Amino acid sequence: RKEVEQDPGPFNVPEGATVAFNCTYSNSASQSFFWYRQDCRKEPKLLMSVYSSGNEDGRFTAQLNRASQYISLLIRDSKLSDSATYLCVVTRDMRFGAGTRLTVKP
Amino acid sequence: EPEVTQTPSHQVTQMGQEVILRCVPISNHLYFYWYRQILGQKVEFLVSFYNNEISEKSEIFDDQFSVERPDGSNFTLKIRSTKLEDSAMYFCASRVVMNTEAFFGQGTRLTVV
Repeated sequence: RKEVEQDPGPFNVPEGATVAFNCTYSNSASQSFFWYRQDCRKEPKLLMSVYSSGNEDGRFTAQLNRASQYISLLIRDSKLSDSATYLCVVTRDMRFGAGTRLTVKP
Repeated sequence: EPEVTQTPSHQVTQMGQEVILRCVPISNHLYFYWYRQILGQKVEFLVSFYNNEISEKSEIFDDQFSVERPDGSNFTLKIRSTKLEDSAMYFCASRVVMNTEAFFGQGTRLTVV
């Protein structure tokens, strides 16, 4: 089993849609989790941390399910500018998932 | 705002040549990383570095690769004899302690011809 696995995507959604990504991890000792965003040919940039109780930042909500060993990212009211690849990171190992490509269309 | 800086932004080299990619992590960070991303593919972990030694490396990080922190600021990745398949974007990252977010440099695009 891969250390970090993500929904393969791609996700093509209209503006205003709600979209959710999942990421599963294999190391149950993992302590911290993050979602990064990567635009084409750019470096990954932190989108948000994922806390045990779940957390929200504007239109973005992150959840952690330790029992099932997955994290999720929910994007509400998608904007054109949300088009990017979303990467989950399990920080004990600093391994990235393969990324999920999101395209938001007008 | 502190940032991770990488130089050069783009390097073209002939197959078989040695290259050194340079990174200046954020000054109070203790953990350093190199990643590789072949065009259109995933971000692949190469190596992590802490306390002046490699803490973990992937299967990609073979004998052709080495890392060094020659002084208090630079963190370098050396590829001894480049191959065509080494062509990729190389990202350096650093973080202050384990389990905190990592910050990435803008990357070095390596083209091996």
